[in-house]
Amino acid sequence: GENVEQHPSTLSVQEGDSAVIKCTYSDSASNYFPWYKQELGKRPQLIIDIRSNVGEKKDQRIAVTLNKTAKHFSLHITETQPEDSAVYFCAASPNYGGATNKLIFGTGTLLAVQP
Amino acid sequence: DTGVSQDPRHKITKRGQNVTFRCDPISEHNRLYWYRQTLGQGPEFLTYFQNEAQLEKSRLLSDRFSAERPKGSFSTLEIQRTEQGDSAMYLCASSLGSVSYEQYFGPGTRLTVT
Repeated sequence: GENVEQHPSTLSVQEGDSAVIKCTYSDSASNYFPWYKQELGKRPQLIIDIRSNVGEKKDQRIAVTLNKTAKHFSLHITETQPEDSAVYFCAASPNYGGATNKLIFGTGTLLAVQP
Repeated sequence: DTGVSQDPRHKITKRGQNVTFRCDPISEHNRLYWYRQTLGQGPEFLTYFQNEAQLEKSRLLSDRFSAERPKGSFSTLEIQRTEQGDSAMYLCASSLGSVSYEQYFGPGTRLTVT
């Protein structure tokens, strides 16, 4: 069945450093890959996403890369700030007929940015 | 607030009781999703609707769980004969469907079964 693995489970960086979180997926039909940020007690917030016809996407300090052949994708955060501290989830969606169906989530990465 | 809303935000119930949660999606979003999240885990898909049609149900969804979206707007998720293992955060998300892939989440309903 569909499965998404996410590493590392925890990540501690110094303010200003970069952070990288990696995910692999099993279902080759997956073609939509969002990343969510979840602060304690809050809802998951979509921060960036990528579709399978694109290899890389950037939005200010956040970027996502996708390698469809290897079935893995990564989140890159540069110049980290204390407010980046949260749990980050990757997800993959098998997408039939042009509209997203369910999201299969990874197990999350707790990012701690030390001031 | 024009985001996804859920009610109630917290629910404490005794084992064996029935509970019902409500989700109001973003206006004009025709797809609505239910997920369950336990501590330290990512959300797990339960079911989703396109308009009023329930298009997929997870095998995780036992027959004690039922979801409806009668008029294609708000949705309800009912759990009958609750068990302690049902304790979790129940999240709802919505999307525009065929014109947009993005799913936006509500704040969730935290269920505690004692």
